[in-house]
Amino acid sequence: QQPVQSPQAVILREGEDAVINCSSSKALYSVHWYRQKHGEAPVFLMILLKGGEQKGHEKISASFNEKKQQSSLYLTASQLSYSGTYFCGTEQRNAGNMLTFGGGTRLMVKP
Amino acid sequence: DAGVIQSPRHEVTEMGQEVTLRCKPISGHNSLFWYRQTMMRGLELLIYFNNNVPIDDSGMPEDRFSAKMPNASFSTLKIQPSEPRDSAVYFCASSLRGGRVPEAFFGQGTRLTVV
Repeated sequence: QQPVQSPQAVILREGEDAVINCSSSKALYSVHWYRQKHGEAPVFLMILLKGGEQKGHEKISASFNEKKQQSSLYLTASQLSYSGTYFCGTEQRNAGNMLTFGGGTRLMVKP
Repeated sequence: DAGVIQSPRHEVTEMGQEVTLRCKPISGHNSLFWYRQTMMRGLELLIYFNNNVPIDDSGMPEDRFSAKMPNASFSTLKIQPSEPRDSAVYFCASSLRGGRVPEAFFGQGTRLTVV
């Protein structure tokens, strides 16, 4: 079952912050975050494996609340290069590492 | 490693024709995924293999779609007969289940246009 992402789209000015949310109706084993530039393949950003875990990547970090089956991606002091579509991918418990993706959040950072 | 390799990069075919998409996963990876991406439906998981065995094909749209993984280094996704609504970008991804680095690596995709 696909996770649900919100918002669907975000427009930011350079230097502003954004939060992208991902939620599932099923118990999760892990959450993956990917970014896709137009015309390119999705590129891995980070994975969160434990409930409550937070990870960081440059000025992009994420949290995973296992109990609520939710994850959030935090983009701080956004840069033009952050523009793209962000996808969360989820692995459910007892489903191997089958990875299903949400509908994506389109992020545009303007100068 | 060269990463996940997909071929062809672009395919234009006429409705009713058979289409075969190919994927070479990263050497040593034991999980392989086929996804379809469209504006309307996002990234849909079509089928998932683990150790060359199909584990879940519930995302395959209909019987016109079939996928095989005859060995650890090659997989195909076949559409027969193709229809205009199959037009999309098809991605193959691989990962190492149980490994220290569990993320999925995507190929560059095959853009399929059925006219």
